[in-house]
Amino acid sequence: EAQVTQNPRYLITVTGKKLTVTCSQNMNHEYMSWYRQDPGLGLRQIYYSMNVEVTDKGDVPEGYKVSRKEKRNFPLILESPSPNQTSLYFCASSFADPTTGEQYFGPGTRLTVT
Amino acid sequence: EDKVVQSPLSLVVHEGDTVTLNCSYEVTNFRSLLWYKQEKKAPTFLFMLTSSGIEKKSGRLSSILDKKELFSILNITATQTGDSAIYLCAHPFSGTYKYIFGTGTRLKVLA
Repeated sequence: EAQVTQNPRYLITVTGKKLTVTCSQNMNHEYMSWYRQDPGLGLRQIYYSMNVEVTDKGDVPEGYKVSRKEKRNFPLILESPSPNQTSLYFCASSFADPTTGEQYFGPGTRLTVT
Repeated sequence: EDKVVQSPLSLVVHEGDTVTLNCSYEVTNFRSLLWYKQEKKAPTFLFMLTSSGIEKKSGRLSSILDKKELFSILNITATQTGDSAIYLCAHPFSGTYKYIFGTGTRLKVLA
């Protein structure tokens, strides 16, 4: 089944403890992206990647890192999480340039930082 | 600066009503505008619009784009409780592959 998977789905952690949220897609998509969703602010893009080893900042990249060593995987790294990073996170992918087609979203990761 | 503004922010209707959701945008170099539906979890794709005046239709949902006035509408006829969701519109930033979403319209359809 074609899908985007994220792990973990739920995570409660403490301030400063490094964490990684994994994202994987099995559709051979070139474009992958991370978003966070907060009440009243909608979906905001954190980072995106056009292909392996090619990443760029979205609207809200501060406090996050990403890497794209393989086409299928695009992990999101929080080196020192803070409470303002408590949010619902979505990974998404699309075949190529997302201006030409839909993005497929993962199921989401709800992160709470205390 | 590129931006997307959706209205209304929320809407409550009864089954059978017709609703119109609005998305206005500002972009230097328009390429496409997309609509997504978000129920309990992840957004799912509805429509992509690239040309002005062409209506995209899927069952009771339809959408049209006005490139001159810089807006798009999403119409839902004969609403059902299953249409209750957040509806999001989005477009790519000018000159990049960044993506911007509006804050969404939360639609609630009462039985």
